[in-house]
Amino acid sequence: SQTIHQWPATLVQPVGSPLSLECTVEGTSNPNLYWYRQAAGRGLQLLFYSVGIGQISSEVPQNLSASRPQDRQFILSSKKLLLSDSGFYLCAWSTPGTANQPQHFGDGTRLSIL
Amino acid sequence: GNSVTQMEGPVTLSEEAFLTINCTYTATGYPSLFWYVQYPGEGLQLLLKATKADDKGSNKGFEATYRKETTSFHLEKGSVQVSDSAVYFCALSDNDYKLSFGAGTTVTVRA
Repeated sequence: SQTIHQWPATLVQPVGSPLSLECTVEGTSNPNLYWYRQAAGRGLQLLFYSVGIGQISSEVPQNLSASRPQDRQFILSSKKLLLSDSGFYLCAWSTPGTANQPQHFGDGTRLSIL
Repeated sequence: GNSVTQMEGPVTLSEEAFLTINCTYTATGYPSLFWYVQYPGEGLQLLLKATKADDKGSNKGFEATYRKETTSFHLEKGSVQVSDSAVYFCALSDNDYKLSFGAGTTVTVRA
C-alpha cells in the first residue's frame, strides 16, 4: 500500500531563516505531488504541484520554492522566512496519468515563525 | 472556472443528532466529487467520493449523493458521535490533476 511521510511535524523558525520541508511517498511510482498551506482557521491554498521529476508548477507567487529531486521526493524551501509564512503545510500525492483522482495527504508540518 | 461552496460553520450538534453539510459546485465538465475530513492537528483524510451523476459515496456512516441537476454533493450522517468532531472539506476535480476545495466546515459534537 502507499504511504506518505512528512517531516518535521513541527518547526519553530526565526524570521529571515531558511526552510526545508521534506515529503516522500512509498509504494507508487511517479506520483503527482502537491504542497498546500493552511493558515489558522482557513482553507487550503495550493502552493506547488509536480507531475514528474524536475517539473514544478507554482500556483502562488511568494518567497517559497519547491523541488523534486527524486521520483517520490518533494521538498518545500525558502531562503528567508517571513512572519506570513506561518501555517500548517501539507504534502499530498495522487495517482499519475489520470485526471479526477483523489489526493492523499500527509500528517502535515506546523510551522511557526518568531 | 471551477469552484466549491460549502455551508459556513461552525456547526455544533449533540451526540446522535443528524448532520448535514451542504456543498454545491461549479464546473465546466463532469467532475469527480470528494469529501475530506481533518481531525485536529492532522492532515486531510479522504472520507468518500463519487465520480458520476447519481453515484452515492459512503464511509463510516457518512453518505453523499452526486446530484448533477442541482450541482450538489451534500454530506449526511444519521447519528453523529463526539469522535466526528472535525473540519469537513468538499472538493472537486474536473479533468485535472488539481482539486478545488471548499472553505471547510467545522463540526463540533457535544456529549
